[in-house]
Amino acid sequence: GAGVSQSPSNKVTEKGKDVELRCDPISGHTALYWYRQSLGQGLEFLIYFQGNSAPDKSGLPSDRFSAERTGGSVSTLTIQRTQQEDSAVYLCASSPGVWNTEAFFGQGTRLTVV
Amino acid sequence: DQQVKQNSPSLSVQEGRISILNCDYTNSMFDYFLWYKKYPAEGPTFLISISSIKDKNEDGRFTVFLNKSAKHLSLHIVPSQPGDSAVYFCAARNTGANSKLTFGKGITLSVRP
Repeated sequence: GAGVSQSPSNKVTEKGKDVELRCDPISGHTALYWYRQSLGQGLEFLIYFQGNSAPDKSGLPSDRFSAERTGGSVSTLTIQRTQQEDSAVYLCASSPGVWNTEAFFGQGTRLTVV
Repeated sequence: DQQVKQNSPSLSVQEGRISILNCDYTNSMFDYFLWYKKYPAEGPTFLISISSIKDKNEDGRFTVFLNKSAKHLSLHIVPSQPGDSAVYFCAARNTGANSKLTFGKGITLSVRP
């Protein structure tokens, strides 16, 4: 596809269940970001992948959150034992990885934990 | 520690007037700055950027000004249009360190017809 694709677009899960969110970045983009936006809040950084470098995981809010990026392309964000405070829109973005370029965002996955 | 700050949560302007959205940063290593626009239920879209070697960048109705000594940048929209009503995020990065994009909390702009 031409842009960043995220799936599912909406996810409702019960508290305590695990969820996986998927991001397909733009082909050839070496950098990939995950952010989340809770209701009424700004963009909260979660994790950043850049090429073969070790990911910057400094934004992950707890050890229930993890992410991987296979083959330098598709990324999966996993939230274990979901809590109600995990409810948010999870946004993925990718960029060519060359400096001075912007990141392109997907439409996001709206996660609701009930 | 909020390294990119957008201290005003909202701004309302009349159609045709100028909108000025402000952003402050604390990390002196930031050398590339971007503005994004976000409509409800959509992902943020890139609007305009500026490198730290410049103090102004203009693209149509949008101009970004950078004051490095004050660690301050601003986005000017003139003339403002009702379709500009959205949340605007300021972002910054340290390109030398190949660092992540750090975003502010956003400003909600409302342009009144």
